[in-house]
Amino acid sequence: GAVVSQHPSWVICKSGTSVKIECRSLDFQATTMFWYRQFPKQSLMLMATSNEGSKATYEQGVEKDKFLINHASLTLSTLTVTSAHPEDSSFYICSAQENRDGNSPLHFGNGTRLTVT
Amino acid sequence: GDSVTQMEGPVTLSEEAFLTINCTYTATGYPSLFWYVQYPGEGLQLLLKATKADDKGSNKGFEATYRKETTSFHLEKGSVQVSDSAVYFCALRPYGNNRLAFGKGNQVVVIP
Repeated sequence: GAVVSQHPSWVICKSGTSVKIECRSLDFQATTMFWYRQFPKQSLMLMATSNEGSKATYEQGVEKDKFLINHASLTLSTLTVTSAHPEDSSFYICSAQENRDGNSPLHFGNGTRLTVT
Repeated sequence: GDSVTQMEGPVTLSEEAFLTINCTYTATGYPSLFWYVQYPGEGLQLLLKATKADDKGSNKGFEATYRKETTSFHLEKGSVQVSDSAVYFCALRPYGNNRLAFGKGNQVVVIP
């Protein structure tokens, strides 16, 4: 089946530094990827929709200059948390859509646990 | 906007007990409905889905029926196992796009 690989699975960084998270579709081409944030004991909140070759669409309240998204190829999207602060500590999850049909299957990565000290 | 509401609080039950997790939704049009499961330390996995009214999704002994009249998609399993311990999320997908709306999730703990 379709696999989405997310890397790293966990990362600890110091306040003020930037962290990059990668999301790769391993055996299919993903024209669209989604980035979610999950707070402890909370639901997943959609942060942005990433389309290959174009700018990401951010949800209301999500700072695009802080959460930089790049979707340079059909198999890779990256989320960079810039100038991280402790309040950015969270579980970040990506998902990938197999084709341009909005009803096509979604596949999720295993998530990245970010801790900012 | 579209939203999903799950029953409050964790669920703790004994092995072989009957499990029900309630899910109701608010949406325009004809959304698809999903249950996702998240095992400790892992990402989300699709458990089952239903794409139209009266459809029943089923997988691994779990079932859920898309009830348009009550806007519900309750998850059930007749006899749970310890390995079913996980967080379960109900989700809605509007027709034509993959911007999923998730419920808050329910932690299920099955005790031997």
